Amino acid sequence: EAGVTQSPTHLIKTRGQQATLRCSPISGHTSVYWYQQALGLGLQFLLWYDEGEERNRGNFPPRFSGRQFPNYSSELNVNALELEDSALYLCASSLGRKYTFGSGTRLTVV
Amino acid sequence: DAKTTQPPSMDCAEGRAANLPCNHSTISGNEYVYWYRQIHSQGPQYIIHGLKNNETNEMASLIITEDRKSSTLILPHATLRDTAVYYCIVRSLGNKLVFGAGTILRVKS
Repeated sequence: EAGVTQSPTHLIKTRGQQATLRCSPISGHTSVYWYQQALGLGLQFLLWYDEGEERNRGNFPPRFSGRQFPNYSSELNVNALELEDSALYLCASSLGRKYTFGSGTRLTVV
Repeated sequence: DAKTTQPPSMDCAEGRAANLPCNHSTISGNEYVYWYRQIHSQGPQYIIHGLKNNETNEMASLIITEDRKSSTLILPHATLRDTAVYYCIVRSLGNKLVFGAGTILRVKS
């Protein structure tokens, strides 16, 4: 089966711009999770979407937002980019108790 | 969220079993223990998960103590490709996996 796919692989943005990251879950998975991993740091939970609804949110400012589409794919939007938003953004999907991660989008803010 | 404690790093000889400990003394009765690993900033790879009983799959074995306050991940025959950061995670309320700092496992020839 195809895994979780994320696009783009790399993204370079200027401070103050907006970034949009995309995630396609494994077929049949209805839940999508977003995580941020800054350089040298651990994975920080950002958002959980299930059946099109935001179910849980991590300790991030409102300029981090997202949505889940009827086909269960998801977008993560980061507005008013700051240098500290530079990180690897990981998406995971789940059906039941097993979570599968994508390879991530490397966002660089300059 | 239940916290986990892992040693920051461990070494293991190639071909030997790697035993990675994890303490999760605040775990509650219905929280699962998960293990993932991450190789050089790739996406975390699922290894195994369990609730109470010991579990085994093609990658590893998970031994959970009877009081569930700690667990051990066992890689039976470590190879150089098993060098990675290993995360022990307790799935909290809200379905999120809360990652700690993990253990850097170095497998040496």
